Amino acid sequence: DQQVKQNSPSLSVQEGRISILNCDYTNSMFDYFLWYKKYPAEGPTFLISISSIKDKNEDGRFTVFLNKSAKHLSLHIVPSQPGDSAVYFCAAHTWGGKLIFGQGTELSVKP
Amino acid sequence: NAGVTQTPKFQVLKTGQSMTLQCAQDMNHEYMSWYRQDPGMGLRLIHYSVGAGITDQGEVPNGYNVSRSTTEDFPLRLLSAAPSQTSVYFCASSRTGTNTGELFFGEGSRLTVL
Repeated sequence: DQQVKQNSPSLSVQEGRISILNCDYTNSMFDYFLWYKKYPAEGPTFLISISSIKDKNEDGRFTVFLNKSAKHLSLHIVPSQPGDSAVYFCAAHTWGGKLIFGQGTELSVKP
Repeated sequence: NAGVTQTPKFQVLKTGQSMTLQCAQDMNHEYMSWYRQDPGMGLRLIHYSVGAGITDQGEVPNGYNVSRSTTEDFPLRLLSAAPSQTSVYFCASSRTGTNTGELFFGEGSRLTVL
């Protein structure tokens, strides 16, 4: 029973264009949603988060949107850079302190 | 400042052997957790701890034991390894007070069970 789902295993975009990564969740009891970035042979690193009471959070080139009615969040990267090529995980934080991750989407940004 | 340190980085076991994956953090974080990463499955929570002496199960706890005797250390024990436990394991920590899910991860331990 996957509570957090990333249905696109991979995404390829051109440098300078927008990258949009999507994530769906099934549990309404999450209080925060987060995105993590992972390079090969490294641990994931925190990228950006959003509270469940907000619908948008922006940090430089990264913006996360939350649509609570659709139980959907997305990460926009504008403009995309080759260094953004990595696996991106969305995650949902429960009131009890657990962090539940999606399956990940591998982003490839072509020069 | 080392952050979260995991040892060993690589390990090969035979079915039925036991071993302990070590995790230590020097950030005085109350919260620590173990995840496994498998292709197509993402990161799945095995066990977590909100402080010394307190542990709880995550999504996939079977076959794994943990203890938290100090704030700094959170070892993960495999009592009788099985091929299904072949995976990359990540330890992570955070300050409980943030309560937002921002975790600091170690570099991972790749385990192969033959």
